[in-house]
Amino acid sequence: DVKVTQSSRYLVKRTGEKVFLECVQDMDHENMFWYRQDPGLGLRLIYFSYDVKMKEKGDIPEGYSVSREKKERFSLILESASTNQTSMYLCASSLIHWEKLFFGSGTQLSVL
Amino acid sequence: EDQVTQSPEALRLQEGESSSLNCSYTVSGLRGLFWYRQDPGKGPEFLFTLYSAGEEKEKERLKATLTKKESFLHITAPKPEDSATYLCAVQADYGGATNKLIFGTGTLLAVQP
Repeated sequence: DVKVTQSSRYLVKRTGEKVFLECVQDMDHENMFWYRQDPGLGLRLIYFSYDVKMKEKGDIPEGYSVSREKKERFSLILESASTNQTSMYLCASSLIHWEKLFFGSGTQLSVL
Repeated sequence: EDQVTQSPEALRLQEGESSSLNCSYTVSGLRGLFWYRQDPGKGPEFLFTLYSAGEEKEKERLKATLTKKESFLHITAPKPEDSATYLCAVQADYGGATNKLIFGTGTLLAVQP
C-alpha cells in the first residue's frame, strides 16, 4: 500500500524557534509537495519539488524553506516560527506532476 | 483571477437521501479537475480526475461529472461512512508554465443514519 509519512502528528513550538517538518514517501515518486490547510482558506501550496535537489516556490513561500536531499524525503523548514504559521501542514507526492496526489496524514503545528 | 468555489459549505443528509455537491471554476484553460475526500484528522484521498466537458467517472455511490464551468459530485443513496469533507481542485493550463492545483475550500458532508 502506498504511503506518505509525516514525522509528527501534533507539534507545539515557541515563537522564534526553528521547526523541521519531515515527510517520507515509499512510492519512488519524483514529485513532492508541501501544503498548509486553514479553515475557510483551503489548501495552499508552500513549496514543491519535481526532482532531488530541485525546489520551486508555491503560492505562500514566505517564512518557509525546503530541503530535498533524497528522492523519498522532503523537509519543510520554518526558519523562525511565528504565530501565523499555526496550521495543518500536509505533505503529498505524485507520480505525474499534479495528477493524483497522495497525501500524508498531516502535522498540526501550534506556535505559541 | 483563477478561482474554485465549492457549494454548499456543509450538507446534512439522511441515509439514502441522494444529493449533489458543486464545484464551479473560473480558469483560463482547464487541464484537469480532481475530486478528493478528506476524513477528520487525515490527509485528502484521491477520488477522480476529469479532463473534458461531458466526462463522467463513477466509484461506488459517487459519480463525478464535468461541464465547461463546473463539476458535480453526485452521491446516490449515501451511507454514514460517506461522511467526510469533499475537496475539488482544478489544474489550470498556463501554456507551458507550472500548472499548479487550485483547491476549493470543500463541502463538509454529514450523513445521518
